[in-house]
Amino acid sequence: DTAVSQTPKYLVTQMGNDKSIKCEQNLGHDTMYWYKQDSKKFLKIMFSYNNKELIINETVPNRFSPKSPDKAHLNLHINSLELGDSAVYFCASSQDSGSTNYGYTFGSGTRLTVV
Amino acid sequence: QKEVEQDPGPLSVPEGAIVSLNCTYSNSAFQYFMWYRQYSRKGPELLMYTYSSGNKEDGRFTAQVDKSSKYISLFIRDSQPSDSATYLCAMAFTGGGNKLTFGTGTQLKVEL
Repeated sequence: DTAVSQTPKYLVTQMGNDKSIKCEQNLGHDTMYWYKQDSKKFLKIMFSYNNKELIINETVPNRFSPKSPDKAHLNLHINSLELGDSAVYFCASSQDSGSTNYGYTFGSGTRLTVV
Repeated sequence: QKEVEQDPGPLSVPEGAIVSLNCTYSNSAFQYFMWYRQYSRKGPELLMYTYSSGNKEDGRFTAQVDKSSKYISLFIRDSQPSDSATYLCAMAFTGGGNKLTFGTGTQLKVEL
């Protein structure tokens, strides 16, 4: 039973399209995250939610809009996709943003290719 | 300049070798230090977690933190081909909202 699952695993789309990525965790964690990994393997945080509340919103274009309908789900919607959005997007979860437990559990990633 | 620097490699070693992976960082507020292992086309998985300075050992893996030098290391003893992966260091500080700042990762290949 997968702890953090993302769909889809692969996404190929044309510039200008709008797409969504979904994430679900069954660990009972309170905090969920979106990270972007570029072609050089660099992982950078985009957003984090704690119990449906936005906690971290890094400098990300407003074409990216996260939504957390409940604490087990975090989705990412991207408008007007650009070539530079091509990357692997990882969802992750952790126990609580106020605790000292920083062990994330990552999903297996969504490989987005914009053509 | 990135907050966390890590040699990207690739690092190629023979099976059974001792591997040393390192990261340096610039933000002295970092208190929590982690190592993640990422296999190709998979998500990172937590390998080691350390708070503040000191050593931590878990099986063949040892994590070291030297806060005075802003330097952390991961040692792998008796390396195996199954250790071939990208190793990412990550750091956080209290009050940072659980945000992890990652290094760029070192690609390790352990050869038979």
